Amino acid sequence: DAGVTQSPTHLIKTRGQQVTLRCSPKSGHDTVSWYQQALGQGPQFIFQYYEEEERQRGNFPDRFSGHQFPNYSSELNVNALLLGDSALYLCASSLGTGNQPQHFGDGTRLSIL
Amino acid sequence: QKEVEQNSGPLSVPEGAIASLNCTYSDRGSQSFFWYRQYSGKSPELIMFIYSNGDKEDGRFTAQLNKASQYVSLLIRDSQPSDSATYLCAVYTGGGNKLTFGTGTQLKVEL
Repeated sequence: DAGVTQSPTHLIKTRGQQVTLRCSPKSGHDTVSWYQQALGQGPQFIFQYYEEEERQRGNFPDRFSGHQFPNYSSELNVNALLLGDSALYLCASSLGTGNQPQHFGDGTRLSIL
Repeated sequence: QKEVEQNSGPLSVPEGAIASLNCTYSDRGSQSFFWYRQYSGKSPELIMFIYSNGDKEDGRFTAQLNKASQYVSLLIRDSQPSDSATYLCAVYTGGGNKLTFGTGTQLKVEL
């Protein structure tokens, strides 16, 4: 039973660049949520995708965008990278929306120089 | 007031003791509550979830929910050094699909 997979595991970018992170949900799951976790903090909700649409969004600027594909996998895109975007980016999947347990991938560690 | 609050710790307990981790939340409409364990440098791992008032037990773990007091707790019995990690409380808030996390409580189980 494949769990949530994320790629790449680590990424180094410079300010102003753009980045794309990828996520494949756990087998049987159809909903993907993205989180940003800074050091010493809990994960912060970025947005959730279900049926290829963004269902809910957290307090993140429009530089953060996403997409969900028909096979339920998802991408997180961040434009015009800032130093403050350095963090662990986590993808979580669940079955359906609302009140369901979410299972996390191993994350992508993004460093901005 | 933060939506989900936890004491950051560290909470230190001796091996074999009961560790008690607490969490309060502000959204009275919240219906689902989760506990995740996160080892240093790793991603969160779901260990318990609870939807109804009362206790829910799974092995050495017990989740307790009191919606009237807006309080969730996690008890870990017979604590082991391998339980040393940060424990994150998470709550669905805003009536939607947003899972809101506390900052986590660091637990240290000492030999």
